[in-house]
Amino acid sequence: RKEVEQDPGPFNVPEGATVAFNCTYSNSASQSFFWYRQDCRKEPKLLMSVYSSGNEDGRFTAQLNRASQYISLLIRDSKLSDSATYLCVVIHTGGFKTIFGAGTRLFVKA
Amino acid sequence: SQTIHQWPATLVQPVGSPLSLECTVEGTSNPNLYWYRQAAGRGLQLLFYSVGIGQISSEVPQNLSASRPQDRQFILSSKKLLLSDSGFYLCAWHPTVSGNTIYFGEGSWLTVV
Repeated sequence: RKEVEQDPGPFNVPEGATVAFNCTYSNSASQSFFWYRQDCRKEPKLLMSVYSSGNEDGRFTAQLNRASQYISLLIRDSKLSDSATYLCVVIHTGGFKTIFGAGTRLFVKA
Repeated sequence: SQTIHQWPATLVQPVGSPLSLECTVEGTSNPNLYWYRQAAGRGLQLLFYSVGIGQISSEVPQNLSASRPQDRQFILSSKKLLLSDSGFYLCAWHPTVSGNTIYFGEGSWLTVV
């Protein structure tokens, strides 16, 4: 079993749709959580951190459930420019090991 | 502010040839440094990480090696490339303060022919 697992995707949604990505992690030593975005043939870039209290950045909302070891990302009012691969990221206690999910591909269509 | 650079951006190498990818970080000291590989259509695979000069941990057996000759310099090498070494190689750094996230260089596209 992979340490970080994401929805397989791809997700194909129309502009303006709301889309949710899910991610589960298996190691309870996991301490920090993030969502990254990766465009085709580019490096991953930090999208947002994920906190237990939930956090929002414009159209993006991230949630963490430590009891269920579950992370989510919600994108509202999808734009064409949101098309990318979204990676769930977990950092272990001590900060030495960063584990990436395989990513979920999102296609937003006009 | 901190920046990370890696080079070359793209390269095409014949099977059996050597490889050297270089990465440097500016604006910080004693960072944790990483080399990842991403094969076409696949996730990121951690190859090496380093918590200090001369300290290298390998995550997967392979014909690649890494070195950290200076605090902010991380090098990925191979003596003889295989076809399976083709992929997108990413250098990354992470502050030693726990809880902060990881930042990537622009990546190096390697095609072994």
